[in-house]
Amino acid sequence: QVHLVESGGGVVQPGGSLRLSCAASGFLFSSYGIHWVRQAPGKGLEWVAYISYDGIRDYYSDSLRGRFTISRDKSKNTLFLQMNSLRAEDTAVYYCAKDGDSGDYHANWGQGTLVTVSS
Amino acid sequence: EIVLTQSPATLSLSPGERATLSCRASQSVSNYLAWYQQRPGQAPRLLIYDASNRAPGIPARFSGSGSGTDFTLTISSLEPEDFAVYYCHQRSAWPQTFGQGTKLEIK
Repeated sequence: QVHLVESGGGVVQPGGSLRLSCAASGFLFSSYGIHWVRQAPGKGLEWVAYISYDGIRDYYSDSLRGRFTISRDKSKNTLFLQMNSLRAEDTAVYYCAKDGDSGDYHANWGQGTLVTVSS
Repeated sequence: EIVLTQSPATLSLSPGERATLSCRASQSVSNYLAWYQQRPGQAPRLLIYDASNRAPGIPARFSGSGSGTDFTLTISSLEPEDFAVYYCHQRSAWPQTFGQGTKLEIK
């Protein structure tokens, strides 16, 4: 059974940094790409970033490239999102989501971790 | 980036009725279109991938159709647990994008 557990959220001041983690279990971690998707309070879903199964390819939302970095550690079955220069508009629940068996849609989701950017 | 526009923003129906939700892409996404359901306080759940394929465990009352720029999610007979927000999503081109959502509410 696929299990994704996000952690690392919390309250951070504008301009600060935070690193989110997504611990994966129940599937072969090194065989699937994984995404970060966020949702601001009361708003819709926003795709953030993606890393391929082998960590070679990564893609970012146009508005976030340069501030956010996605990475993965296959020895720990864990995905990361390093977030720098945080702004109030980055306040959101951040979800990790695993690729499907036949493509990079979001087949399985974690429960999310809340990031609040506020002074 | 590809913009997905969902309509209507809100759909008010009764249990047992048929729901039809639309998603239009600003350019062709072939069949690389998925639908997700999000209930309050929960993470999204994959319903349909590649336009018309039901995800594992999704009831047969959910179906998807379309290709290119116009897509439809149909719920044949609404159950109480189907009242939620629905999002379309394209994986045809990077960056991936979501529609703004359709809220399906009880009439």
